[in-house]
Amino acid sequence: GAGVSQSPRYKVAKRGQDVALRCDPISGHVSLFWYQQALGQGPEFLTYFQNEAQLDKSGLPSDRFFAERPEGSVSTLKIQRTQQEDSAVYLCASSPRGGVRGETQYFGPGTRLLVL
Amino acid sequence: QKEVEQDPGPLSVPEGAIVSLNCTYSNSAFQYFMWYRQYSRKGPELLMYTYSSGNKEDGRFTAQVDKSSKYISLFIRDSQPSDSATYLCAMSAFINAGKSTFGDGTTLTVKP
Repeated sequence: GAGVSQSPRYKVAKRGQDVALRCDPISGHVSLFWYQQALGQGPEFLTYFQNEAQLDKSGLPSDRFFAERPEGSVSTLKIQRTQQEDSAVYLCASSPRGGVRGETQYFGPGTRLLVL
Repeated sequence: QKEVEQDPGPLSVPEGAIVSLNCTYSNSAFQYFMWYRQYSRKGPELLMYTYSSGNKEDGRFTAQVDKSSKYISLFIRDSQPSDSATYLCAMSAFINAGKSTFGDGTTLTVKP
């Protein structure tokens, strides 16, 4: 079956530009996660949704970062006034149920953002 | 200091070798321990998941967790060129089971 998909796969933005990154989770998955992965580092947690509710946004680095999942399926991560330090791969993951301990997260291929 | 530290590598071994990958952590609340494999320009893929201390084996892969030492390992037996990838350890606590904290990864190359 279809896995997690993300679009665009690559995005080049000029500093100060707003960007929107899309995640399509596996159909029926309750939980959705966003991670940021800088070059040579592991993914860093950004935010977590259970259905349409954003239960944890403690990892968002600043108020320029905003995520939504209005209908409990597709999610968008928006970055306003992009800065060079925002350059990274943004990974989306989904899991079947809600916050179940140790449940498998299925990752998408990521969106590679480069801010010039 | 990061909550999760992973041996940085890179690691290069001949085909058929036994590979040992390791992570240490500082947060005693971590209960769930995962190993992911990440190929270049792909998302991480879950390999092994262990709850609390102990060993778990799956084919050529064995995961070990020693909570008393805050140390986890992944062993790969009979390594294959297709095992060449970056291996990430990840952990989560009971309360925030969905929020994983990752190590920075070890890049493994298995040479034919």
